[in-house]
Amino acid sequence: DAGVIQSPRHEVTEMGQEVTLRCKPISGHDYLFWYRQTMMRGLELLIYFNNNVPIDDSGMPEDRFSAKMPNASFSTLKIQPSEPRDSAVYFCASSRQGSNSPLHFGNGTRLTVT
Amino acid sequence: ILNVEQSPQSLHVQEGDSTNFTCSFPSSNFYALHWYRWETAKSPEALFVMTLNGDEKKKGRISATLNTKEGYSYLYIKGSQPEDSATYLCASDGGSQGNLIFGKGTKLSVKP
Repeated sequence: DAGVIQSPRHEVTEMGQEVTLRCKPISGHDYLFWYRQTMMRGLELLIYFNNNVPIDDSGMPEDRFSAKMPNASFSTLKIQPSEPRDSAVYFCASSRQGSNSPLHFGNGTRLTVT
Repeated sequence: ILNVEQSPQSLHVQEGDSTNFTCSFPSSNFYALHWYRWETAKSPEALFVMTLNGDEKKKGRISATLNTKEGYSYLYIKGSQPEDSATYLCASDGGSQGNLIFGKGTKLSVKP
């Protein structure tokens, strides 16, 4: 079991650029979550999917953020255009049965927007 | 908006001390309560998932209890060791089975 795989580990970009974060969940897990971690707000839920379908995206900060899950083994979180306030660590997590089972987190992507 | 509160924010104890901290969550529309351990420079790792009122779970020196009627959970660590130093997070889902909202954590430091 390779665990949840995120890429890249670090991303540094300039304001206004498009950023794409990638996630491969654990095989067989039906739920996928995107979280953002900052010092001020802790771990914030951005969006989660069930069987590749977005269920709740109310945590997505604004229209600059979008997430997709084209198949069971891949998801992307895109920020376009990026802003300095988007700098944070973005975690992807997956679980077998939503909140009925533990979340398995990836190693996170540390995003810095200058 | 689901609000999950943890206290204290940080805790410093000596090796061998037992300690506990609290997670509060809305008691209405409850489905599950999670506890995670988060070491610096790593990712959160699951400790417990609890769903039933009165649930008690144990893993080694760490245990947790759940009171869904009053909306709180306690995490206990018996005989703290320096390797227990980490941030302990709890999360609740407000009955949605997926909308897992995390508290800001309790940062535990155990001095040898």
